Amino acid sequence: EIVMTQSPATLSVSPGERATLSCRASQSVSSNLAWYQQQPGQAPRLLIYGASTRATGIPARFSGSGSGTEFTLTISSLQSEDFAVYYCQQYNNWPPITFGQGTRLEIK
Amino acid sequence: EVQLVETGGGLIQPGGSLRLSCAASGFTVSSNYMTWVRQAPGKGLEWVSIIYSGGSTYYADSVKGRFTISRDNSKNTLYLQLNSLRADDTAMYYCARHSSGWYGVIDYWGQGTLVTVSS
Repeated sequence: EIVMTQSPATLSVSPGERATLSCRASQSVSSNLAWYQQQPGQAPRLLIYGASTRATGIPARFSGSGSGTEFTLTISSLQSEDFAVYYCQQYNNWPPITFGQGTRLEIK
Repeated sequence: EVQLVETGGGLIQPGGSLRLSCAASGFTVSSNYMTWVRQAPGKGLEWVSIIYSGGSTYYADSVKGRFTISRDNSKNTLYLQLNSLRADDTAMYYCARHSSGWYGVIDYWGQGTLVTVSS
């Protein structure tokens, strides 16, 4: 089973600034990596798949990069609705699909 | 519009059973990979089980032998039978659809149904 590790656990950023979230895989997952956003009390929402392709309706301020074992989700110019928990998920070697433990993005 | 509506959660004693249902609309359940993901209170996401469009099923080790995923094509509904429930099965259970183009990607999620295992 591929283990996904996200860092940091909590990230404090001011509105309007840039946030950079990291995800590391225990072995290569190629570009088979997705990012999800979860608002409090809501289901997750797909943001990014294929490591860098935005899902339908996702604003351009969200971008993903990386391949192999190191991945980054960048949110430029943070809006109030972006403060949430973010999960990465690998789908290179599955099932099982595996998620990272999440990064909580909070207002500084 | 794709919609997934889960029902069937509730308070159940350890060792008990529940059946979760996920009614789908806007697409055909049998044409997509369908998955259950759970989230314990205050914790992260944990994949539970998947059923492929062809009918093959897979389970997380933590639920293998206790949970069963199935679907009713005539009702366009996904199910998860939970048996021999334990306290650590307490979680919000989400039904989710996998993308038709990127099979490992979950593109739609239901709002979840809460299962609480406690005496």
